[in-house]
Amino acid sequence: SAVISQKPSRDICQRGTSLTIQCQVDSQVTMMFWYRQQPGQSLTLIATANQGSEATYESGFVIDKFPISRPNLTFSTLTVSNMSPEDSSIYLCSAESGADAYEQYFGPGTRLTVT
Amino acid sequence: AQSVAQPEDQVNVAEGNPLTVKCTYSVSGNPYLFWYVQYPNRGLQFLLKYITGDNLVKGSYGFEAEFNKSQTSFHLKKPSALVSDSALYFCAVRDGDYKLSFGAGTTVTVRA
Repeated sequence: SAVISQKPSRDICQRGTSLTIQCQVDSQVTMMFWYRQQPGQSLTLIATANQGSEATYESGFVIDKFPISRPNLTFSTLTVSNMSPEDSSIYLCSAESGADAYEQYFGPGTRLTVT
Repeated sequence: AQSVAQPEDQVNVAEGNPLTVKCTYSVSGNPYLFWYVQYPNRGLQFLLKYITGDNLVKGSYGFEAEFNKSQTSFHLKKPSALVSDSALYFCAVRDGDYKLSFGAGTTVTVRA
């Protein structure tokens, strides 16, 4: 199984600012994803982070608001831009290696509070 | 479009009793189904999956799930619940593009 770390684990930010969240996997993986989760709620997929190309965004999420990078097979970043209190949430990174068939592993999450 | 439903927001059981968390699914092709658990202030942990084969799938921490095609269900079970099993449980279905769609989640509380 892949071990995934995220930085920062939590942050409190002012509205109008941006925060970049880092996701590091301990092995090369095929697929990486970013999810948003309101505390105690379900997960919503933001986008698929594609290595070497632009991310693929789900309906309701746009690149200008959530720019994503994936420079290699073990690392990705998600930026939450021009934040508002509505962006307060937990952001999770996940990865699927292909070696563990169909199993997707998740990072511990980044708890973001926007004031 | 694929989806899963978890009809119960909360499940409460006494320690030592059987635990069941319900999930039904809707897919257009073969279902790839998963259960995850989330402990407070933690990320999601993979419990088990159904891809193909035996309808009874065994996973981590003594959990198992039964795939029932006719009822389009994938209920999570544990014969004897522990207080430490208290957590938020998610059922999920995967599509051909690797994307997971999650249910709303079921909060399990096991009382001593």
